[in-house]
Amino acid sequence: ELKVEQNPLFLSMQEGKNYTIYCNYSTTSDRLYWYRQDPGKSLESLFVLLSNGAVKQEGRLMASLDTKARLSTLHITAAVHDLSATYFCAVDRSGTYKYIFGTGTRLKVLA
Amino acid sequence: GAGVSQSPSNKVTEKGKDVELRCDPISGHTALYWYRQSLGQGLEFLIYFQGNSAPDKSGLPSDRFSAERTGGSVSTLTIQRTQQEDSAVYLCASSLVYRGVYGYTFGSGTRLTVV
Repeated sequence: ELKVEQNPLFLSMQEGKNYTIYCNYSTTSDRLYWYRQDPGKSLESLFVLLSNGAVKQEGRLMASLDTKARLSTLHITAAVHDLSATYFCAVDRSGTYKYIFGTGTRLKVLA
Repeated sequence: GAGVSQSPSNKVTEKGKDVELRCDPISGHTALYWYRQSLGQGLEFLIYFQGNSAPDKSGLPSDRFSAERTGGSVSTLTIQRTQQEDSAVYLCASSLVYRGVYGYTFGSGTRLTVV
């Protein structure tokens, strides 16, 4: 059974600081996705990582994928309050079409 | 439409009643998914439709849950004899190809409260 784990589950950080969210998964996967969810809102796609070594950056967020280690990271650089949200990773297991979501990381950036 | 549309946005129902939740996917998206998100939790897969293929119902939690997709477009998720544990946000998503290369596009969800 494919399991996806994120850590930390909760993260409170000061503006201007850097931090990394980790996403581990248990079986082979071709693709990994990162989503953002604001309170009471739906999920917004951030990144799609399609191969080993893939790195994508958008603003203060950078995501990477290591398929051998079954690990993806979401790095936050010089955090700002607007980044406060819950971040989910999801894995699309090879040969299937279902995303299995991680438990989410609730990020709070303090001014 | 421009995005995935779900209705109603909020639904309060009495325990034991049946409810229907609707999802209008992005035009041309062949794949449609239903997920459930309980308060403070991650997303739980419920059901998947792809074109004319038989749906994958493996995530439906009980036989009280059913879903259909008419004409390869609009989908309805039906919960019969609702229970309090059914309270959650029900999210619908669609994607252009079945493996969702470009990722799912989610609707804004239906918040179901069973009292």
